[in-house]
Amino acid sequence: DAKTTQPPSMDCAEGRAANLPCNHSTISGNEYVYWYRQIHSQGPQYIIHGLKNNETNEMASLIITEDRKSSTLILPHATLRDTAVYYCIVRGVGDDKLIFGTGTRLQVFP
Amino acid sequence: GAVVSQHPSWVICKSGTSVKIECRSLDFQATTMFWYRQFPKQSLMLMATSNEGSKATYEQGVEKDKFLINHASLTLSTLTVTSAHPEDSSFYICSATKSNQPQHFGDGTRLSIL
Repeated sequence: DAKTTQPPSMDCAEGRAANLPCNHSTISGNEYVYWYRQIHSQGPQYIIHGLKNNETNEMASLIITEDRKSSTLILPHATLRDTAVYYCIVRGVGDDKLIFGTGTRLQVFP
Repeated sequence: GAVVSQHPSWVICKSGTSVKIECRSLDFQATTMFWYRQFPKQSLMLMATSNEGSKATYEQGVEKDKFLINHASLTLSTLTVTSAHPEDSSFYICSATKSNQPQHFGDGTRLSIL
């Protein structure tokens, strides 16, 4: 699986958009980009995933660059409850494994 | 969304005892379940992959005789930590998935060995 690189921490003001970047320069053509988050002392929560097109759901938007070497998770209006560690993971088709990196610790402040 | 239930959420036991943790997919049949371990301030580490009716596949460095996994049905997998010692104290998390679908995680079991 391709390795991902994320900044260790970010801050965001409540109500503003949180933009979390992820680099995955070695991603191959059949690998998806998945995003999960983990709120303290809980199991990870699935957010969104995509292959090459941008994706949006009720939680977030995922923007994938045209060369697929990087992506950005966007939380359009961050709330205090969005404070968590966000993991960007690359996963191949037919490979159910998720290998977690160190993620980005997002702190939303009032 | 898919719901995965993990039980117990918290357990304390004496050194040398065995502890069983259950993971259930409540509203879907999971072809595969996974077990992770997470130490404080660290990321999740995959321990093993479990498919219904077959032996689990363990990641390198994880002792299969220490961490027994049983996956008897499409909705239940169990992890038994045998002869637990203080160094086995950790946060154990399971997840479940159907083929090519996102993994959904339980809320974890905090295990403390005295």
